[in-house]
Amino acid sequence: DIQMTQSPSTLSASVGDRVTITCRASQNINSWLAWYQQKPGKAPKVLIYKASSLESGVPSRFSGSVSGTEFTLTISSLQPDDFATYYCQQYNSYPRTFGQGTKVEIK
Amino acid sequence: EVQLVESGGGLVQPGGSLRLSCAASGFSFSGYWMTWVRQAPGKGLEWVANIKQDGSEKYYVDSVKGRFTISRDNAKSSLYLQMNSLRVEDTAIYYCAKDRQYRSPSCYDYWGQGTLVTVSS
Repeated sequence: DIQMTQSPSTLSASVGDRVTITCRASQNINSWLAWYQQKPGKAPKVLIYKASSLESGVPSRFSGSVSGTEFTLTISSLQPDDFATYYCQQYNSYPRTFGQGTKVEIK
Repeated sequence: EVQLVESGGGLVQPGGSLRLSCAASGFSFSGYWMTWVRQAPGKGLEWVANIKQDGSEKYYVDSVKGRFTISRDNAKSSLYLQMNSLRVEDTAIYYCAKDRQYRSPSCYDYWGQGTLVTVSS
């Protein structure tokens, strides 16, 4: 199975901060990576697909990038609505696997 | 508007069975792979299984192989998860999700609200 190692597990930040979350795949996943945002009691919402493509309707402050097997989700200017938990997921091979999540908290 | 509505969750004893359903609307159900993802209380997301648009291909996470069966009825725009030999560690919210890309397995652009399965004696 492909392991997705996400860091940090918790991140404290302020409104307006630039935030970066990293996800490292244990092997090549050909950029088949998605990022999701989940708020308490709600289903996840896709933000980024194919490593760097922005899902329709998602604010442009969210962006994704890749370098080899290391993937990054960046929020350019954190907004109050962005405090949530973020997950990466590979969909290159089976079983699909998620990172363990990054909780973005208010500093 | 795309809608996915799960049902069938509840409390079951270890070793018991449940059948989850997911009613889909607002898109051409028969053109998309469909997926089940679960989340144990306070934990992260875990992919469970998916199924091709015509039901000819199915994949499972190892921990549920031989116990869970994913199926679909395109005439009813419905997805199912038959869960047998349930274990305490199967306790989770189960989400139904629609794969994003037409006729190709991908990530998930729509999710249901989830249905809670509790396995306990």
